[in-house]
Amino acid sequence: QKEVEQNSGPLSVPEGAIASLNCTYSDRGSQSFFWYRQYSGKSPELIMSIYSNGDKEDGRFTAQLNKASQYVSLLIRDSQPSDSATYLCAVNHAGGSYIPTFGRGTSLIVHP
Amino acid sequence: ETGVTQTPRHLVMGMTNKKSLKCEQHLGHNAMYWYKQSAKKPLELMFVYSLEERVENNSVPSRFSPECPNSSHLFLHLHTLQPEDSALYLCASSQGFSTGDIGDIQYFGAGTRLSVL
Repeated sequence: QKEVEQNSGPLSVPEGAIASLNCTYSDRGSQSFFWYRQYSGKSPELIMSIYSNGDKEDGRFTAQLNKASQYVSLLIRDSQPSDSATYLCAVNHAGGSYIPTFGRGTSLIVHP
Repeated sequence: ETGVTQTPRHLVMGMTNKKSLKCEQHLGHNAMYWYKQSAKKPLELMFVYSLEERVENNSVPSRFSPECPNSSHLFLHLHTLQPEDSALYLCASSQGFSTGDIGDIQYFGAGTRLSVL
């Protein structure tokens, strides 16, 4: 059973702080990793993808991947109330699978 | 029109009704997906089609019947549903083969909010 684990939260941070969201996965051979943001009642939208070890930055968002530890994280700098949403971690596993496994999602609340 | 379009956006039906959800993608993708998302629950993958062939069916009750007439269109036919089937139904598409890069990204439609009375 290929699993993707996330703390459901909620994670509450003050406006302007760094929010750190974490995700672990069970399949060591996984090759593609994604963070989707989902506002309440809306559909998920991709905010970051990462495919190799290290950090990938896009604006206020940084994805970090550590394949040895089977761990992927998302950092949101200068958090804004508009960042309040559920963040879904998704992993494509080894063996050429294009069907991702989604985590349960972490609810983030950024309070003014 | 671009992206992934789902209709209707909202649907209320009785347990004896028959209805269909429609999904259309304009991204040139080969794979399409149906997900169910109930309140406070994670995404549940229901069906996956690749090049119009069903490649995954996650033990979904037979009252849900998918149809994929071509790589751009996906339907979910509903009949004799139960109140616990009330949820947000999401359609998504992707390239349909593993690329190890942006080809693996899923694009979601806005969803159909289904209420079964």
